[in-house]
Amino acid sequence: GQQVMQIPQYQHVQEGEDFTTYCNSSTTLSNIQWYKQRPGGHPVFLIQLVKSGEVKKQKRLTFQFGEAKKNSSLHITATQTTDVGTYFCAGHAGGTSYGKLTFGQGTILTVHP
Amino acid sequence: DTGVSQNPRHKITKRGQNVTFRCDPISEHNRLYWYRQTLGQGPEFLTYFQNEAQLEKSRLLSDRFSAERPKGSFSTLEIQRTEQGDSAMYLCASSLNEKPQETQYFGPGTRLLVL
Repeated sequence: GQQVMQIPQYQHVQEGEDFTTYCNSSTTLSNIQWYKQRPGGHPVFLIQLVKSGEVKKQKRLTFQFGEAKKNSSLHITATQTTDVGTYFCAGHAGGTSYGKLTFGQGTILTVHP
Repeated sequence: DTGVSQNPRHKITKRGQNVTFRCDPISEHNRLYWYRQTLGQGPEFLTYFQNEAQLEKSRLLSDRFSAERPKGSFSTLEIQRTEQGDSAMYLCASSLNEKPQETQYFGPGTRLLVL
């Protein structure tokens, strides 16, 4: 079945440093979504990418969807302590499994002040 | 609060007991999903409904698990004869069926501990 892998599993940065997490799917995705989960919280939707090669920005966050629609990345510029949490990518395979999201295992971001 | 709600938020039970969780989706959302999340992992898909129809079930959903959405609004997830391996966070999400911009909104989850 479809697998979604994320690297790195953990990332520790000093406040002000940049952060990037990478997501790779074993199959072509119809779209990819990114979620943030704070410690003790639930996943909160950040963004969805649909088009091949798409790039979207939200303030200090930049999201990219690969040309082959099998990989994606999230880049945070100048991290802040409020960025702490686990970042998940999740893919829709499309077709008959359109409703099902397959999540990566997440990247845990720690920001040291 | 117009978000997804789940009850109870925490449940402790003894092995072998049955438990039932409830999810109330965002009112206009026609799709409802159940996921399970264990420590250090991403949410794993269990099942989803479009209105009252259960459209897909994961192989993770053994015959001890059953989910219903009888009137196309709230949903329940029941686990019979719980096992220690069932200990996890059970997350519910809802969405509008609007391809391809289908965003799933998650509830706060029910944390289950099986002793």
